Amino acid sequence: DTAVSQTPKYLVTQMGNDKSIKCEQNLGHDTMYWYKQDSKKFLKIMFSYNNKELIINETVPNRFSPKSPDKAHLNLHINSLELGDSAVYFCASSQDLPSGTWDEQFFGPGTRLTVL
Amino acid sequence: SQQGEEDPQALSIQEGENATMNCSYKTSINNLQWYRQNSGRGLVHLILIRSNEREKHSGRLRVTLDTSKKSSSLLITASRAADTASYFCATITQGGSEKLVFGKGTKLTVNP
Repeated sequence: DTAVSQTPKYLVTQMGNDKSIKCEQNLGHDTMYWYKQDSKKFLKIMFSYNNKELIINETVPNRFSPKSPDKAHLNLHINSLELGDSAVYFCASSQDLPSGTWDEQFFGPGTRLTVL
Repeated sequence: SQQGEEDPQALSIQEGENATMNCSYKTSINNLQWYRQNSGRGLVHLILIRSNEREKHSGRLRVTLDTSKKSSSLLITASRAADTASYFCATITQGGSEKLVFGKGTKLTVNP
């Protein structure tokens, strides 16, 4: 009955490789997000999707490509991995509210990516 | 760019004491949220306070918001060892893009 799940939990890979992280939410939410948390615990939004449409793209290198096959899934594919991509990546979801209001976000457990 | 700044960066207290964390932000907000992150885990939403609210309670948590000073505080009363975690404030900017912007967090350690 996990609300927001991510796979894998840990990912260790070599520079230059391509990898994907998967995210699923069973909350029936319309909006999903990807965040990156660096080694100093600073959390920054990367993307958000609403009903499979890209809403926010925060100046993320185009090596990062999110894909939303349906509104319950938001996957993150990363090409040509670099050392600086090492971080913890969190998926989150939230329910749409009337215009001008925003609700809490539900976070997944995170994927720790280590690029060697 | 970063919106919220938590203060202090780290706080160590004894079980049973109260813990107060502060958050300052730069631009007008729609709402402010507090999240907790246990070590190696995802973030958990604690409480949301809207820009037209001044104080909110949830169990042992009390949040205040002062929009004139662009600041908020989170008070945890009668702390427990299980409260040990990092606490983040996050804001939704008014009139801006619909994204949650996080501060750097306060690392709270509650000693048994």
